[in-house]
Amino acid sequence: QKEVEQDPGPLSVPEGAIVSLNCTYSNSAFQYFMWYRQYSRKGPELLMYTYSSGNKEDGRFTAQVDKSSKYISLFIRDSQPSDSATYLCAMSSLGLTGGGNKLTFGTGTQLKVEL
Amino acid sequence: NAGVTQTPKFQVLKTGQSMTLQCAQDMNHEYMSWYRQDPGMGLRLIHYSVGAGITDQGEVPNGYNVSRSTTEDFPLRLLSAAPSQTSVYFCASSGRFGGHINSPLHFGNGTRLTVT
Repeated sequence: QKEVEQDPGPLSVPEGAIVSLNCTYSNSAFQYFMWYRQYSRKGPELLMYTYSSGNKEDGRFTAQVDKSSKYISLFIRDSQPSDSATYLCAMSSLGLTGGGNKLTFGTGTQLKVEL
Repeated sequence: NAGVTQTPKFQVLKTGQSMTLQCAQDMNHEYMSWYRQDPGMGLRLIHYSVGAGITDQGEVPNGYNVSRSTTEDFPLRLLSAAPSQTSVYFCASSGRFGGHINSPLHFGNGTRLTVT
């Protein structure tokens, strides 16, 4: 079983829809939870991060962490065609880089927002 | 500001050939790393470096060598390419703050490698 599980999609939604992207994990030592966005043929870029449990909001994006359930979510409100990308969750026990340990990435969910 | 620059963008190798994937960053970041991305596997760490002259292995280091002679450059060498090394390779860097690695990874746009 992988440490981090993420539904690969693809997920197709109409413009303006609310999108919910999720990851589950098994390692209770994870403290830093990140969401990366990756456009086709580009490198991932950090979208949001959360330390420990709780919610974080940034514009149309909201990240939620439920450590008791080992479950994290990314919500996108009023989705736009420009949101079409692959979304990767990532986690670590030490910092946003993982320190001497690696970041553990999900496999990514491919999202398409259609006009 | 270029960020993290990877060359080449695409490469085709025959089994047994060697090559070096180049990575350079202009952000004066101490931490640099190499990941490979494969379908259904996610990003996996190959090697990383916390500063010039210091390197260490990640999750999947076999078949790859690295060195870090300068802060800016972190090349990845494939000594004898195998079809299993067909992948997309990403270089990433990160700065330090307050003695902890607490800034996000900045990724390059990848090198797409095919080994036949």
